[in-house]
Amino acid sequence: EAGVAQSPRYKIIEKRQSVAFWCNPISGHATLYWYQQILGQGPKLLIQFQNNGVVDDSQLPKDRFSAERLKGVDSTLKIQPAKLEDSAVYLCASSQGLRGGLETQYFGPGTRLLVL
Amino acid sequence: GDSVTQMEGPVTLSEEAFLTINCTYTATGYPSLFWYVQYPGEGLQLLLKATKADDKGSNKGFEATYRKETTSFHLEKGSVQVSDSAVYFCALMNTGNQFYFGTGTSLTVIP
Repeated sequence: EAGVAQSPRYKIIEKRQSVAFWCNPISGHATLYWYQQILGQGPKLLIQFQNNGVVDDSQLPKDRFSAERLKGVDSTLKIQPAKLEDSAVYLCASSQGLRGGLETQYFGPGTRLLVL
Repeated sequence: GDSVTQMEGPVTLSEEAFLTINCTYTATGYPSLFWYVQYPGEGLQLLLKATKADDKGSNKGFEATYRKETTSFHLEKGSVQVSDSAVYFCALMNTGNQFYFGTGTSLTVIP
C-alpha cells in the first residue's frame, strides 16, 4: 500500500514570496490533516478535512495560509506572503475517517520550508 | 482546550536501561491516546495506541497504559537499545477526531 506522498521535499524562499505544498493521501482515506512542525516542537494542527469539507481550521493563520482539498483526494496548502516564522516542516497525514477511537493517522515525509 | 504535556528532554540512557517518558493529557470525554516516534531523518510513525481506560498499548517492547484516573499515558520499555534513539511524541485524539501532540522527548541511547 502506497503511503502519504508530499512534494516538494524541500523549499527555500524569501520572505513575502508565496509557496504551495501538495499532498496525496493514502487511497480511500477520508480524513486529511496538515500540520506545522517547528524545529524542536511537536506538530501543530493547521487544518483538518473530512472528504472535501473542513472539520477544523481554528489554528490556521487565515490571513496568509489557505488550503483546499478538491474532490476529496489531493490537497494543497499555500502560504502567501511567507514570513520568517513560517520556517518549519509541513506534514500531511491521512486517516480512514473512522469514529469510536479507532482512528490511526499515517504521516507523509513532510516538506521542509526555509524562509530567508 | 484539549492538550498533551510530556516530560522535557533530552533523555540519555545507557543500553539496557529502563525507560519511562511521562505523558499527561487534558481532554473532555474519552480520548484515544497515542505514542508516535520519529527516528533521525524519518517521518512520524505510530508506535502504539490505546482507545479506552485501562487499555495497554504495546509494540517493539514499548508499553503504555491508559490511566483515566491520573489522565496519564506514560511510555515504558524495560531494556532500551541504541536503535531506540529517536524523538517520542505523545498525542491524543478527542471525540471530534482532532489530534493534539505533545512537544516531543528526545531519547539518546549510548552503548
